[in-house]
Amino acid sequence: GDSVTQTEGPVTVSESESLIINCTYSATSIAYPNLFWYVRYPGEGLQLLLKVITAGQKGSSRGFEATYNKETTSFHLQKASVQESDSAVYYCALGPLNTENYKYVFGAGTRLKVIA
Amino acid sequence: NAGVIQTPRHKVTGKGQEATLWCEPISGHSAVFWYRQTIVQGLEFLTYFRNQAPIDDSGMPKERFSAQMPNQSHSTLKIQSTQPQDSAVYLCASSLWGDGAETLYFGSGTRLTVL
Repeated sequence: GDSVTQTEGPVTVSESESLIINCTYSATSIAYPNLFWYVRYPGEGLQLLLKVITAGQKGSSRGFEATYNKETTSFHLQKASVQESDSAVYYCALGPLNTENYKYVFGAGTRLKVIA
Repeated sequence: NAGVIQTPRHKVTGKGQEATLWCEPISGHSAVFWYRQTIVQGLEFLTYFRNQAPIDDSGMPKERFSAQMPNQSHSTLKIQSTQPQDSAVYLCASSLWGDGAETLYFGSGTRLTVL
């Protein structure tokens, strides 16, 4: 079926260190789904971080980057130097599942804690 | 624009009671989604509407859950005979209707606790 698997948290990283959160997907209904990273900061609602709709392309936002790799069906989230303010829960997602059903599927979420 | 509004923020019910959760989507958004979030299952899709019509309710436990969208300004999720396993944060999201790359705008959620 359609699913998203991401790094199991919590992930603890020291400030200014690099970060990678892995995300792989399975989309049986559609060959090239759109891929998303959403983030939930403490005390806030879930919000879009970045999205990529074309295979091979890279999306970026707030210093984070993710590249849509159709060969490995992956969409890993990376940042070269994290800050304490990046502490949040990150969700990888895909959609639509087919051209008629715009349902989105989310991963389980990865809690990131950045320590000083 | 106030964003997606969900009420109440917290609801506590006794086992077997009914719970109704409300969602007001962003004005002009034609797609409304409901998700359930738990520590164990993460974000689970429940159902969604397009232009008020139900499109996919494959994630809804059929026996006790129902969702409606009587007009473009609000949607409700009703849980009858609530059970402790229904305890979760219920999230509503809305978006423009497009090619599936539309950003989902989430509300703050309703935390349901069933005692």
